Amino acid sequence: EIVLTQSPATLSLSPGERATLSCGASQSVTYLAWYQQKPGLAPRLLIYDASSRATGIPDRFSGSGSGTDFTLTISRVEPEDFAVYYCQQYGSSPLTFGGGTKVEIK
Amino acid sequence: QVQLQESGPGLVKPSQTLSLTCTVSGDSISSGSFYWSWIRQPAGKGLEWIGRIYTSGHTNYNPSLKSRVTISVDTSKNQFSLKLNSVTAADTAVYYCARDSAAAGLLDYWGQGTLVTVSS
Repeated sequence: EIVLTQSPATLSLSPGERATLSCGASQSVTYLAWYQQKPGLAPRLLIYDASSRATGIPDRFSGSGSGTDFTLTISRVEPEDFAVYYCQQYGSSPLTFGGGTKVEIK
Repeated sequence: QVQLQESGPGLVKPSQTLSLTCTVSGDSISSGSFYWSWIRQPAGKGLEWIGRIYTSGHTNYNPSLKSRVTISVDTSKNQFSLKLNSVTAADTAVYYCARDSAAAGLLDYWGQGTLVTVSS
């Protein structure tokens, strides 16, 4: 099983600041996705194949990385971006998720 | 627009079987283009993939739950289902169903989730 470790656990930012979220894998990952989850809602797909934005996702969200190190960047955090973000690897069973990074208002 | 909706009892007694159904609209399970997954999330915790099924009935399960899980599909009703037996309090969680768009585990559409509490 591929273990994904996200850092930091919590990121405190002011609107307009840049957010950099990290996801590290215990072994090389075939495919990586990022999801956003707000309280009481299901996760929403943001990024797939490490760097491709899902339909309707603003271009302030970008993903990068390969192998075992991946990054989600929000260029300028908007008020609606405060949420928990999860990375997920796919292509290797079982599917696994990182523990999440909470982006909170500073 | 693809929509998924979970349904089932919100309360299950310890040692009994948790049973949930996911009804899909806006897409046909029998089209054969996708897998269909179950994921769960205990309160305040992260996401755990339970398993998935293809229209043919082929399944993949998380080894951590494999001995207790059965996922099945009913193409005539455009539904797929989850059964988890011998439940304990540790199985209390919000359960989500989702569509796997890449056949490799990319979950592009999710249901709203349903809370299942295991308690006597």
